[in-house]
Amino acid sequence: KAGVTQTPRYLIKTRGQQVTLSCSPISGHRSVSWYQQTPGQGLQFLFEYFSETQRNKGNFPGRFSGRQFSNSRSEMNVSTLELGDSALYLCASSLARGLNEQYFGPGTRLTVT
Amino acid sequence: DAKTTQPTSMDCAEGRAANLPCNHSTISGNEYVYWYRQIHSQGPQYIIHGLKNNETNEMASLIITEDRKSSTLILPHATLRDTAVYYCIVRAHDDKIIFGKGTRLHILP
Repeated sequence: KAGVTQTPRYLIKTRGQQVTLSCSPISGHRSVSWYQQTPGQGLQFLFEYFSETQRNKGNFPGRFSGRQFSNSRSEMNVSTLELGDSALYLCASSLARGLNEQYFGPGTRLTVT
Repeated sequence: DAKTTQPTSMDCAEGRAANLPCNHSTISGNEYVYWYRQIHSQGPQYIIHGLKNNETNEMASLIITEDRKSSTLILPHATLRDTAVYYCIVRAHDDKIIFGKGTRLHILP
């Protein structure tokens, strides 16, 4: 069974631009969560989607948004990029909400210059 | 905020059991203890979870104290590939995962 895939793997953007990251969950998984990882703050939860609805949200500004499609694929968008948005963005999928195991993708490395 | 306390780093000799402690003194009755690890440059990997009974799977064992205020993850025969940051997470079943700083485990040859 294929794992969680994320595209693109690497991205370089300029301050003020916007970016869209994509995540394809494991087949059959309906829950997708997003995380940001930086050396200073570690792994931080961004949001969780299940059945095309946002179910949970972390403490991030409104510039960070996401959505989930009917096939469970998910995208996250960051508008008006800031230097501090440079990070590894990780997506994780699981069978359903409230189930135990989240499977993480390799991440998208975003660099904002 | 993370609800757990873990040592910053630990060393373990290859082939020996690695015992990683975690304190979660404020855990509530419906919160599970989860363990994940992150090997350098990879996404986190689920290891095991438990509520109050000890648990074992092909990767590890999880020992939870009777009062549930602490737990220990045991890797029975550590290998160099087990070198990673290990995260102990406490959360309710449908709550968001909050990662703390974790324990950096070094397996020594």
